[in-house]
Amino acid sequence: AQSVAQPEDQVNVAEGNPLTVKCTYSVSGNPYLFWYVQYPNRGLQFLLKYITGDNLVKGSYGFEAEFNKSQTSFHLKKPSALVSDSALYFCAMNSGYSTLTFGKGTMLLVSP
Amino acid sequence: DTGVSQNPRHKITKRGQNVTFRCDPISEHNRLYWYRQTLGQGPEFLTYFQNEAQLEKSRLLSDRFSAERPKGSFSTLEIQRTEQGDSAMYLCASSTGQGEMDTQYFGPGTRLTVL
Repeated sequence: AQSVAQPEDQVNVAEGNPLTVKCTYSVSGNPYLFWYVQYPNRGLQFLLKYITGDNLVKGSYGFEAEFNKSQTSFHLKKPSALVSDSALYFCAMNSGYSTLTFGKGTMLLVSP
Repeated sequence: DTGVSQNPRHKITKRGQNVTFRCDPISEHNRLYWYRQTLGQGPEFLTYFQNEAQLEKSRLLSDRFSAERPKGSFSTLEIQRTEQGDSAMYLCASSTGQGEMDTQYFGPGTRLTVL
């Protein structure tokens, strides 16, 4: 069965430091991978996706993600965190069933 | 592009009552999805439409749940005889319908509280 795991419930980082939010997946075929961000009382906002090609994907608000097939990972990264990046981040996968399978989410807290 | 809209944003109801939520997708998006999100969890798929056809339903969608998308535009999700376990955020998303690589764009959600 396909699944997405986000091993960290919360990530703490100081403003200006690089951040990484981890995501691993399990699927029998080729995955399409997505990152979304959710602010309080808001829906999910799309950040970026990996379809094929270059393993480094650039997205909105300075975020990027690296696809690693051998490690079945798709970690979200940003070189310099902002306090306004504090939010709940979800990794998701579509493996051919037209619907998204989400991880449980990782709360990112950026301190001033 | 005004984005996906959902109404109402909040709904409080008593156990046993029926509730209906509405979702208006991004115009010209062929696919429309419903997800449910409970506290501390990621969204879970409920059902999706390609135009007016309901193509897939999750096992989470019990007989008390029904969704429609007449004329392939807006969609409604009805829950009959609500139970406290139905309390959750109900999210709607839409996409162009080009396949599994589609980006799904989400609305703000409807938060349901069943007392």
